[in-house]
Amino acid sequence: NAGVTQTPKFQVLKTGQSMTLQCAQDMNHNSMYWYRQDPGMGLRLIYYSASEGTTDKGEVPNGYNVSRLNKREFSLRLESAAPSQTSVYFCASSRASTASTDTQYFGPGTRLTVL
Amino acid sequence: QKEVEQDPGPLSVPEGAIVSLNCTYSNSAFQYFMWYRQYSRKGPELLMYTYSSGNKEDGRFTAQVDKSSKYISLFIRDSQPSDSATYLCAMKRDSSYKLIFGSGTRLLVRP
Repeated sequence: NAGVTQTPKFQVLKTGQSMTLQCAQDMNHNSMYWYRQDPGMGLRLIYYSASEGTTDKGEVPNGYNVSRLNKREFSLRLESAAPSQTSVYFCASSRASTASTDTQYFGPGTRLTVL
Repeated sequence: QKEVEQDPGPLSVPEGAIVSLNCTYSNSAFQYFMWYRQYSRKGPELLMYTYSSGNKEDGRFTAQVDKSSKYISLFIRDSQPSDSATYLCAMKRDSSYKLIFGSGTRLLVRP
């Protein structure tokens, strides 16, 4: 039982390049999330998917797109990377996003540098 | 003003000390409170959660919520070097997907 897995672990891009961050969970969770973590800013929600087939914007969605490929997988795409997108990206999953006691479980993160 | 405020630290204590980590918040609608621990270059892992007010104890860890003061705390007894990590508080409203995080407090427990 691997929990939440993310690929790649590290990536360096040049400004304007595109890439997709992959996330998968094996806990049969309904909801999945993408966060970014920057020094002094905590974790900020980029996009989330309450259930398979739905996606919604979070706090900082500009410059990103997402795809909920199936119940297990949720990808984050940067179409034209900018230096401001240099960050650590975390994927998380939970059983049911609006339940009072819903708990999110996090992956190990992807460290992205945009030059 | 941020919805959740947390002192970034670092907080440095000797092994065996009692550690107190705290967050304040502004939204009185928050009902579900969590503490995550994050080791360097790792993802956050859920440590404890409490619903509404009160205390919850789990081994050396105690989580406390004071909704009247909009203040939550995490106490670590008999702290160990392995407790050295960043501790993130998080909270949410009932029936909401949105988890609001504090910026984290870095804790260093010296042997």
